[in-house]
Amino acid sequence: EDQVTQSPEALRLQEGESSSLNCSYTVSGLRGLFWYRQDPGKGPEFLFTLYSAGEEKEKERLKATLTKKESFLHITAPKPEDSATYLCAVQAVANTGNQFYFGTGTSLTVIP
Amino acid sequence: DAGITQSPRHKVTETGTPVTLRCHQTENHRYMYWYRQDPGHGLRLIHYSYGVKDTDKGEVSDGYSVSRSKTEDFLLTLESATSSQTSVYFCAISANYGYTFGSGTRLTVV
Repeated sequence: EDQVTQSPEALRLQEGESSSLNCSYTVSGLRGLFWYRQDPGKGPEFLFTLYSAGEEKEKERLKATLTKKESFLHITAPKPEDSATYLCAVQAVANTGNQFYFGTGTSLTVIP
Repeated sequence: DAGITQSPRHKVTETGTPVTLRCHQTENHRYMYWYRQDPGHGLRLIHYSYGVKDTDKGEVSDGYSVSRSKTEDFLLTLESATSSQTSVYFCAISANYGYTFGSGTRLTVV
């Protein structure tokens, strides 16, 4: 069964304190792994897509990496405005209809 | 939000009443999706559509039906609302890079 697990569930960081969020997955043929940011009361906002092991993507203070079993979202010197819930999703080759499977997210709080 | 509009944004309804949520897109995307988001469960697929009048079930489709009579509109109907359907509902379209989501509908069934 395809599964996506994110850890930790919640993370509190001081401003400037770098850390990483984890997304582990088990799918029968990965088509893509996606990271989203979700602010309270809003829909998820697309951040990155990773397609193959070894791939990396960067955007401002965020960097996403991918291995054959997990992905990391590295946050370097975070600021309070980085506070949000970060969601990971996978799309498997076997999925019909371009479906995605989502993890439950990591709630990040950055304290000034 | 990249041309996706959900309505209403908030709704409170009574148990047993029918409810319809609307998703409207302006980008002519073929695939559209309805998800619900609940604490501890993340986003779960209810139904999706791959074209006009072409729909299929997701993992939590019981108690829900959908219709797509035009490319731009995807409707989600709760035939007889129950308290377990209290949730936040998101519509999404499938772009090349992943999903684009609407702003959500917060539905409370009392």
